[in-house]
Amino acid sequence: DVKVTQSSRYLVKRTGEKVFLECVQDMDHENMFWYRQDPGLGLRLIYFSYDVKMKEKGDIPEGYSVSREKKERFSLILESASTNQTSMYLCASSLWAGTDNQPQHFGDGTRLSIL
Amino acid sequence: RKEVEQDPGPFNVPEGATVAFNCTYSNSASQSFFWYRQDCRKEPKLLMSVYSSGNEDGRFTAQLNRASQYISLLIRDSKLSDSATYLCVVDWTVWSGSARQLTFGSGTQLTVLP
Repeated sequence: DVKVTQSSRYLVKRTGEKVFLECVQDMDHENMFWYRQDPGLGLRLIYFSYDVKMKEKGDIPEGYSVSREKKERFSLILESASTNQTSMYLCASSLWAGTDNQPQHFGDGTRLSIL
Repeated sequence: RKEVEQDPGPFNVPEGATVAFNCTYSNSASQSFFWYRQDCRKEPKLLMSVYSSGNEDGRFTAQLNRASQYISLLIRDSKLSDSATYLCVVDWTVWSGSARQLTFGSGTQLTVLP
């Protein structure tokens, strides 16, 4: 079974702090993704990566950055946390299969509150 | 603009009922389709892929209609444990050579009542 592990289930930070969310997958997947999920808005893609040191912006990258130094680890960084970044953050990974898309496997999620 | 549209529900059905969800998508070039299930305060989990010829997994049947650009999920003999939010998921290619993204619908909430 694919295992995607997010470092924290619940996190509380203050406005202006730099926040790191870590995600590790154990299935040697090429692709990794960061989403946030808010009521009524569904899942929105923040950033994704298809290889080590490669990253691509998703739909809502503003206020975020990412790092992929190793294949198994994909970090999401909130440069200066703001209250509108309070949300559920979900990491996912998938296998690269050329032109076929593969399903994504999700971590448990991190509920982040910015005070 | 990429879009995946679902009826948000909620669908409240009695145990044993048959229930169907539809989902429409706007990108005619989409090639991969999935249904995910998400329980309250949990992560989404893959329920089933959707194939062109339609496919079945136990009580669940998924269908794809490319001409009309919709996919459907049918649940027969619904159980209390089927209560969840069902997410329609469609792939969205940014450009060749890059990872193909998935676009998630906002979900349809199902409650199966005893």
